[in-house]
Amino acid sequence: GQQVMQIPQYQHVQEGEDFTTYCNSSTTLSNIQWYKQRPGGHPVFLIQLVKSGEVKKQKRLTFQFGEAKKNSSLHITATQTTDVGTYFCAVFRSNDYKLSFGAGTTVTVRA
Amino acid sequence: SAVISQKPSRDICQRGTSLTIQCQVDSQVTMMFWYRQQPGQSLTLIATANQGSEATYESGFVIDKFPISRPNLTFSTLTVSNMSPEDSSIYLCSVEGAGLAFNEQFFGPGTRLTVL
Repeated sequence: GQQVMQIPQYQHVQEGEDFTTYCNSSTTLSNIQWYKQRPGGHPVFLIQLVKSGEVKKQKRLTFQFGEAKKNSSLHITATQTTDVGTYFCAVFRSNDYKLSFGAGTTVTVRA
Repeated sequence: SAVISQKPSRDICQRGTSLTIQCQVDSQVTMMFWYRQQPGQSLTLIATANQGSEATYESGFVIDKFPISRPNLTFSTLTVSNMSPEDSSIYLCSVEGAGLAFNEQFFGPGTRLTVL
């Protein structure tokens, strides 16, 4: 089952605005991954965070791993229509190192 | 990266029948997985397809219902047996390892299954 809580479930954003989606765990994580799934598409790997406090950027996307390695965030600046989709965080289960996906944040953009 | 194809891309089936989904990768990979994604939901791992041995199933999924084959390092099949409308879902294969970025999973395009 899911080991992480993802919020919000839905995010309606005006084009050009910023937003953030969060992924929270009750336990310390070894690492965390983020995937994007466009409507009608399949999940595509975005990034993996490993180090405490790590911050990585991909153009308008900023990924952060918390100092305690229990939470992560994805911040998108100047949202564009190409950002539409569902963003999933995923963590490795401690017992067998298989991926467990969060519930996802579905993003829609108002032009 | 890896290029993954799945067949069929979609199908509409009658209850009680079975459907076999194929997953083909363009390179040898260590790990192959099968997921189910119901509409508007997250991904649920069904099983890990092991080359040369029986698949490893997640809680709630059994071999009789979802038999899996993996004859080599580039190919796997998932069969959805004795289907019911509750099996309507998108089925995705994913791969990891063997020349791919560490821990990164690549997903196939999915098979959209509707059971009437």
